[in-house]
Amino acid sequence: EPEVTQTPSHQVTQMGQEVILRCVPISNHLYFYWYRQILGQKVEFLVSFYNNEISEKSEIFDDQFSVERPDGSNFTLKIRSTKLEDSAMYFCASSSDRITYEQYFGPGTRLTVT
Amino acid sequence: EDKVVQSPLSLVVHEGDTVTLNCSYEVTNFRSLLWYKQEKKAPTFLFMLTSSGIEKKSGRLSSILDKKELFSILNITATQTGDSAIYLCAVVSAGNMLTFGGGTRLMVKP
Repeated sequence: EPEVTQTPSHQVTQMGQEVILRCVPISNHLYFYWYRQILGQKVEFLVSFYNNEISEKSEIFDDQFSVERPDGSNFTLKIRSTKLEDSAMYFCASSSDRITYEQYFGPGTRLTVT
Repeated sequence: EDKVVQSPLSLVVHEGDTVTLNCSYEVTNFRSLLWYKQEKKAPTFLFMLTSSGIEKKSGRLSSILDKKELFSILNITATQTGDSAIYLCAVVSAGNMLTFGGGTRLMVKP
């Protein structure tokens, strides 16, 4: 069964460093999303992406964050200058153009900022 | 601000019991409501509900949406230890943005 994959599974970085989290959405999906979950808290929406542009973004998704679809398969989230409070599990999700609301999640990347 | 509230926060039952999990919401631009199961990491999709009063069923799990009263329930019958997980409710709004509830942690004891 097709699934969303994410790399790396765990990333440790120092405060102020740039990180890129990578996702390969399900192959025929056209809508892509990033969410984060700080330990013990709710899953929070960051951004949705369709047709090579951002459709919607939350207040969390400030100028430090950016997303890109560099080729036909990858979808990336970049954090330019990481802060301690960026430590969280980051989930990528995707949905098809037929059933756009049904979002399928990847296994997540645990980001630890020290 | 969009809000999704789940209850109870946690639940401990024995195998074979039936459980009902609740989700209420206040969301502008409601499009749909989703249920997910979260075990170790990624939320796993269970159901999508868009229309009121139509039950969705998958094995021992079922769910229904009431758009007038703004809530949904997830039922699990004949629970098994493998049902132990956090169950998440999320509402879809504009831009396909999901707003998640805090989850219900279900523990099923043998």
